[in-house]
Formats: sequence, structure tokens, C-alpha cells
Amino acid sequence: LAKTTQPISMDSYEGQEVNITCSHNNIATNDYITWYQQFPSQGPRFIIQGYKTKVTNEVASLFIPADRKSSTLSLPRVSLSDTAVYYCLVYNFNKFYFGSGTKLNVKP
Amino acid sequence: NAGVTQTPKFQVLKTGQSMTLQCAQDMNHNSMYWYRQDPGMGLRLIYYSASEGTTDKGEVPNGYNVSRLNKREFSLRLESAAPSQTSVYFCASSDYRSGTNEKLFFGSGTQLSVL
Repeated sequence: LAKTTQPISMDSYEGQEVNITCSHNNIATNDYITWYQQFPSQGPRFIIQGYKTKVTNEVASLFIPADRKSSTLSLPRVSLSDTAVYYCLVYNFNKFYFGSGTKLNVKP
Repeated sequence: NAGVTQTPKFQVLKTGQSMTLQCAQDMNHNSMYWYRQDPGMGLRLIYYSASEGTTDKGEVPNGYNVSRLNKREFSLRLESAAPSQTSVYFCASSDYRSGTNEKLFFGSGTQLSVL
């Protein structure tokens, strides 16, 4: 199973765009990349998922280069409520393994 | 729509006691999972069940047993609790079909303390 590596923490200010990069050098051909958000005392919540190139939904974008060895979660114009831990997962056939995540702290 | 429901929300045990954490989902999902999350850490997979009648070990299965009672329910049992099992336990489910476009849906967690 591909291991993921993310920065432990990041700081940002309200209104800025935040990019969190995840490294997954050993990703396999059939693996998908997915990101989750977790607030304190809650279970993680799905944000976005992709296989290659770019995926966008109403809350985030996911950029995946051609070699798929990394991915970048982009959060446009963050607010204080985006302060949370963000997890990058590489999964295949319903085996989901979480890494340590990136703690994003949004400041006013 | 309740989603994934876990009981109890809080539990305190003494070393050596046993207990069962209950989880039920009402989304007709095939797959269910148990994770634990220690303070300041990510989630670690304990056991999962790809479908009714099947269970498999995850990263940290030692000290735990599971039962997929039916499609809706997946329970986690601690036979002899140890302080090292103090953690927050999350149950999750997903509608696994082909490995694509899967999303995990989580319960609100059970905070377990073993003294």
C-alpha cells in the first residue's frame, strides 16, 4: 500500500488560497487519491477524490501530475471555519489508510 | 437520515474489563470499518468488513474482535481492555462496488478510557 507524506502543519490567513501537497511515491496503477477533513471531536469528512489531472468540486480542487507521485489539495479563499486537519489517502479496493494529516490553522 | 450511529459516546473501563462498541449504518452500504485515533495522531484501521459475512484485519487488530452482524451492523469487542486501548474509536461505512468513487462516511466516535 502506498504511503503518503504530508506537512505536519500549515498556517494561513482568511481569504488566502491554501495548497497542501501530499507525496505518494509508491502509488499503484489502480490506486485513487482522496482527501478528508477532520474537525476536533468529529469523524473525518470526504472532500475530494481523483485519479489523474485536475478535479474540482464546490469546496476544493485536486491537482495530480502525470506521474501521480504527488497530489495537491487547493482550498480557495479559506475562512476560519476551514481550520482542521486534512488527510491525504491513497486507496484501492476499499482499504483506506490514513496518515498523520496536515493541521491547517487559519488566522483572522 | 442518521447515517452512521455509534454507541456509546463515552465509556470508562478498568483494566481487564470487556465491552462491545456498536455501530450501525442506514445507507445500505456494503463495507464497514473500525478505526482508532490516539491524541494528536491520524486514524489507524483496526478491522474492516468488505461485505456482510466477511471481516479482515487492518493495521492494528491485536486485542480486538469484530462481528458483522448483518449488513447494517458492525461491532467491535475488547475482550480484556488495556490502558493502551485508551483512544477515540470511529466507525465508518462505504458503498464499495468497484473501487472507484468510494467515500467513507464516519460516525461521531466513541471516547474510551481504560484505567
